[in-house]
Amino acid sequence: EVQLVESGGGLVKPGGSLRLSCAASGFTFTNAWMSWVRQAPGKGLEWVGRIKSKTDGGTTDYAAPVKGRFTISRDDSKNTLYLQMNSLKTEDTATYYCTTFAGRATTRSFDYWGQGTLVTVSS
Amino acid sequence: DIVMTQTPLSSPVTLGQPASISCRSSQSLVHSDGNTYLSWLQQRPGQPPRLLIYKISNRFSGVPDRFSGSGAGTDFTLKISRVEAEDVGVYYCMQATQFPPYTFGQGTKLDIK
Repeated sequence: EVQLVESGGGLVKPGGSLRLSCAASGFTFTNAWMSWVRQAPGKGLEWVGRIKSKTDGGTTDYAAPVKGRFTISRDDSKNTLYLQMNSLKTEDTATYYCTTFAGRATTRSFDYWGQGTLVTVSS
Repeated sequence: DIVMTQTPLSSPVTLGQPASISCRSSQSLVHSDGNTYLSWLQQRPGQPPRLLIYKISNRFSGVPDRFSGSGAGTDFTLKISRVEAEDVGVYYCMQATQFPPYTFGQGTKLDIK
């Protein structure tokens, strides 16, 4: 069974930093492309960024609102995905979901989701 | 960026009756490889989203066959043949043809009359 468990959320002041983690199990994490998707309270879904598997280059891409402030990384030895968030703004307040992203040969979509972790940016 | 527009934004339905949600993209979602990467996701109250449909009409693992997807180019539809109580929630369309970014519709709230 695929499991994605996010942690690291909390309350942080504007301009501060936070690192989210996502522990993965039930699938071959090394081969997986992973994404972060966020949802502001009462709002819709917004893609944050993605990281390819190392065999596919391990490169990252980001949405415009977070580019230059957020960094996605992965530790395949620990089956863990990370989201380093710097220079946080009040508009970054959201539940952050860790997701798998399957390639074109399969769904090319967000197949599995974690339960999410809430990040609140407020003074 | 491709803009995804869903209608209606809210849909009260009667249990056992059909429901339909539309999604329109600002550009064609046909990829250069010939596929159309349009998905539908369901988010029940208090739950994370869940993939229902991918590549327009393919049901994901475990999704009941009362859910179906159709469409082409820029116009797509999610249909529920007979709504059940567990179908209450918000439904999102999502495109993964043009990247970055992946983009979602605003969401359609489905509730019971």
